Amino acid sequence: DAGVIQSPRHEVTEMGQEVTLRCKPISGHNSLFWYRQTMMRGLELLIYFNNNVPIDDSGMPEDRFSAKMPNASFSTLKIQPSEPRDSAVYFCASSLGAPTEAFFGQGTRLTVV
Amino acid sequence: DAKTTQPNSMESNEEEPVHLPCNHSTISGTDYIHWYRQLPSQGPEYVIHGLTSNVNNRMASLAIAEDRKSSTLILHRATLRDAAVYYCIPENSGYALNFGKGTSLLVTP
Repeated sequence: DAGVIQSPRHEVTEMGQEVTLRCKPISGHNSLFWYRQTMMRGLELLIYFNNNVPIDDSGMPEDRFSAKMPNASFSTLKIQPSEPRDSAVYFCASSLGAPTEAFFGQGTRLTVV
Repeated sequence: DAKTTQPNSMESNEEEPVHLPCNHSTISGTDYIHWYRQLPSQGPEYVIHGLTSNVNNRMASLAIAEDRKSSTLILHRATLRDAAVYYCIPENSGYALNFGKGTSLLVTP
């Protein structure tokens, strides 16, 4: 398996624009996580899906953030409208069950100017 | 949630053993202890996890105190590629991993 695949790897956008981050989990994994990492706050859990259903979205910063998992092989994290404080590295991770060994993608580095 | 305490940073010489400590004095009896590491510009990667007894795998060993209030990740021979931030993560909510600040390990030749 190619591991967890995230796209794009880098995204630069202007404030106010919509941003969509994508994640393909490892085939067969039923748990998917979105994390955000900044120097100030470290790694923060944004949302957790189990069997494509959002179980805990308490980490989502505000209504500007939304995440979907339409099927077992794809998830998106959308920010609309984006703001400079959203600049961070966003990681997607998947696992078989939770909490078990989680596999992380390479991350998407988002810069909002 | 179990509170964890790790040193902010540690330094080791290459090919020497490294002992990375973690205090988790409020951990519950059924919570596993997970260790992950994050190499520069990469996502976190799993290292090892355990419940009560010591655990070994190809990457490292995990020594868990008898009272489970602390654990130590042991890298038997540090290499330059082991330079990373190491996170000690006791299970809390039962499904997600809550990363703290971790220990930044510097390995010098």
